[in-house]
Amino acid sequence: QSALTQPASVSGSPGQSITISCTGTSSDVGGYNYVSWYQQHPGKAPKLIIYDVSNRPSGVSNRFSGSKSGYTASLTISGLQAEDEADYYCSSYTISNTYVFGTGTKVTVL
Amino acid sequence: QLLESGGGLVQPGGSLRLSCAASGFTLSNYAMTWVRQAPGKGLEWVSTISGSSGRTFYADSVKGRFTISRDNSKYTLDLQMNSLRADDTAVYYCAKKGSSPHHDYWGQGILVTVSS
Repeated sequence: QSALTQPASVSGSPGQSITISCTGTSSDVGGYNYVSWYQQHPGKAPKLIIYDVSNRPSGVSNRFSGSKSGYTASLTISGLQAEDEADYYCSSYTISNTYVFGTGTKVTVL
Repeated sequence: QLLESGGGLVQPGGSLRLSCAASGFTLSNYAMTWVRQAPGKGLEWVSTISGSSGRTFYADSVKGRFTISRDNSKYTLDLQMNSLRADDTAVYYCAKKGSSPHHDYWGQGILVTVSS
């Protein structure tokens, strides 16, 4: 199972919006509405921020939103803040009843 | 809460058993997963065990070498790692599956280093 494809890095200024893409195949992203997104700060455990493509867990800022079209899912961070600087990973359930993660995207707040 | 233990330094070809102590939820109701992260690298799904049936799933990279198990009465999740290789060096996280296929709670991670 190959990792889902994400851009290595995305940057934006405070207050701007950025979007991170996550591209898979018909066996994962394209086949299920089970894409989740995780935020990871250096030295910390991943934190769930989006599940089932577009749902936010309780307590997660509404500045984070998710969507999907075909084989590509996207995470949008609006009103970018300094605290959003972190690594972001997408993940999808797969046809093999397993999971696959994306390659990861480093978000830099300029 | 999820708390991993059992990590450390092991020689290539050796074995190590990781444990994850769960609290705050009914363990038997949820599938549980191990995810690892090599130094400076991304997240890699390792293995999942279902909540009730105990059905197990493994990444190709660890199949035949790692065994995931759970003791719902003791609220523990284990990962037995055999025939360890240098590329198994990583921080290992245990994670709880949510109501749908995602992972809503993660442990703090435990470092496993495979080196001579």
